[in-house]
Amino acid sequence: EIVLTQSPVTLSLSPGERATLSCRASQSISSYLTWYQQKPGQAPRLLIYDASNRATGIPARFSGSGSGTDFTLTISSLEPEDFAVYYCQQRSNWITFGQGTRLEIK
Amino acid sequence: QLQLQESGPGLVKPSETLSLTCTVSGGSISSSNYYWGWIRQPPGKGLEWIANMYYSGSTYYNPSLKSRVTISVDTSKNQFSLQLSSVTAADTAVYYCARLVGVLTGHFDYWGQGTLVTVSS
Repeated sequence: EIVLTQSPVTLSLSPGERATLSCRASQSISSYLTWYQQKPGQAPRLLIYDASNRATGIPARFSGSGSGTDFTLTISSLEPEDFAVYYCQQRSNWITFGQGTRLEIK
Repeated sequence: QLQLQESGPGLVKPSETLSLTCTVSGGSISSSNYYWGWIRQPPGKGLEWIANMYYSGSTYYNPSLKSRVTISVDTSKNQFSLQLSSVTAADTAVYYCARLVGVLTGHFDYWGQGTLVTVSS
């Protein structure tokens, strides 16, 4: 099983700041990494797939990068609606999710 | 706009079988481009993939749950279903159905709203 470790567990920032979230895989997963955003009481929302491809309708302030074992989700300038929990997911071997990063307002 | 909606009992007794159905609207479950999947999330915790399937019946299960999971499809009703046997309190979770972009594995682009299933006597 491929384990995804997300860091930090919690990230406290202010609107307008830049957010950098990390996801590390226990073995190489090429570019088979997806990012989701989840708000309380809602289903996850697809943000980024295959490491760097924005999903339809996702604002350009969201970007993804990385390959192999280390991946990053960057939100260039935080909007109030961006404060949520973010999960990464790999599809290289079965499907597993990271434990999530909570992005909270500072 | 594609929509998915989970339905089924919200309370299941320990040792019994959990049964959920996902109804797809705004698109065909028989589309050749997509698989369909189930994911769950225990209260306050992270996401766990359960299984994926193709409309033809091809299935792909999480090895940790495979012995207890059965998924099936009813193309005439545009639905797919999940059965999880011998449930315990650890199976209490919000269960989501979703569309998978990919073959066997991939990413989930459309999700249902989720349904909470509690395992309790």
